[in-house]
Amino acid sequence: GDSVTQTEGLVTLTEGLPVMLNCTYQTIYSNPFLFWYVHYLNESPRLLLKSSTDNKRTEHQGFHATLHKSSSSFHLQKSSAQLSDSALYYCALSDHYVGDNSKLIWGLGTSLVVNP
Amino acid sequence: GGIITQTPKFLIGQEGQKLTLKCQQNFNHDTMYWYRQDSGKGLRLIYYSITENDLQKGDLSEGYDASREKKSSFSLTVTSAQKNEMAVFLCASSPPGQFAETLYFGSGTRLTVL
Repeated sequence: GDSVTQTEGLVTLTEGLPVMLNCTYQTIYSNPFLFWYVHYLNESPRLLLKSSTDNKRTEHQGFHATLHKSSSSFHLQKSSAQLSDSALYYCALSDHYVGDNSKLIWGLGTSLVVNP
Repeated sequence: GGIITQTPKFLIGQEGQKLTLKCQQNFNHDTMYWYRQDSGKGLRLIYYSITENDLQKGDLSEGYDASREKKSSFSLTVTSAQKNEMAVFLCASSPPGQFAETLYFGSGTRLTVL
């Protein structure tokens, strides 16, 4: 079946270092839609990035990701981590042509902690 | 913009107790969802509803009931709380659309069962 695999568990970084959170997927969908959601402590989870276009970089709030269908990956990156980036990050997969999120496949989540 | 309001923010229950969590949205979205968030387990869909009075079971529906009496509200009931259970329950909604749409979340209800 469909699945999403993220960098496991906890990632700890020093402020200023680059961030890379891995996300790979397996799917039968011919047009996968990939999402990164971020959940800051005491806030609501919210969408960070999304893409269904192969090999096109998408950016938001200093983060970027590129969907690579050839390697089934949608890694989240940032050039320089900030303390405020500490949060729980989820990668999720859908079919581009699905009109609701009931079939959304979630990764297990990666906790990012950025230290001074 | 809109907002999703979940009440209560914190819920403490006793083993075997029936507990109800509430969610209100003012986005005017048709579809609403209840997810359970456990550390290291991702987000798991409990129930969703595509319109008023509609209910659809997710992967984790056993032990839960849901109710969608109005378009703007979606409630979740834990039918019998399990001892030492701790989890965050997240309500979400998404707009109608032909394609995969963004989910909008509430800030969650944190459940602790003594």
